[in-house]
Amino acid sequence: EDQVTQSPEALRLQEGESSSLNCSYTVSGLRGLFWYRQDPGKGPEFLFTLYSAGEEKEKERLKATLTKKESFLHITAPKPEDSATYLCAVQARYALNFGKGTSLLVTP
Amino acid sequence: EAQVTQNPRYLITVTGKKLTVTCSQNMNHEYMSWYRQDPGLGLRQIYYSMNVEVTDKGDVPEGYKVSRKEKRNFPLILESPSPNQTSLYFCASSPGDRGYGYTFGSGTRLTVV
Repeated sequence: EDQVTQSPEALRLQEGESSSLNCSYTVSGLRGLFWYRQDPGKGPEFLFTLYSAGEEKEKERLKATLTKKESFLHITAPKPEDSATYLCAVQARYALNFGKGTSLLVTP
Repeated sequence: EAQVTQNPRYLITVTGKKLTVTCSQNMNHEYMSWYRQDPGLGLRQIYYSMNVEVTDKGDVPEGYKVSRKEKRNFPLILESPSPNQTSLYFCASSPGDRGYGYTFGSGTRLTVV
């Protein structure tokens, strides 16, 4: 059975304080690992797809990396507008299996 | 604008009164899926569809029905809603299974009293 575990559940950072979010996974036949951002009451917003171990992708202050067992979302010098819940998901066949997310709060 | 449109955004209903939540996408995507999101449980898949007339159960299908008669539409039907179906529902679509990410709708907040 596919499993996705995210840690920490919640993270509070000062503006400019870099950190990383973790996503550990087990899946048969990984077709992709996804990172989404979700603001309260809204649908998840796509950030990155990673397909194979060693792959990295960047977007503004975010960088996602992938190994065979986990993925990291690195946040460099975060700003208050980066506050959101970050979701990790794996795709084995036709749909996504999500972790429970990391709720990030960035304070000025 | 490429998007997934869900209606309604908010719905309050009574136990046992049949309802349908509509979902439509304008991206010609093959795959569509329904999720529910509950505090502490995260996003859980209800049903998914690989193409027209092809659907399958996700992790929490009990109490729900779906149909895919046209490629763009994937309605979620609750034949006899119960209070434990109070949740935030999301429809999503994807172009195919090469690890393409899903595009999500804005959500439907359903309350069953």
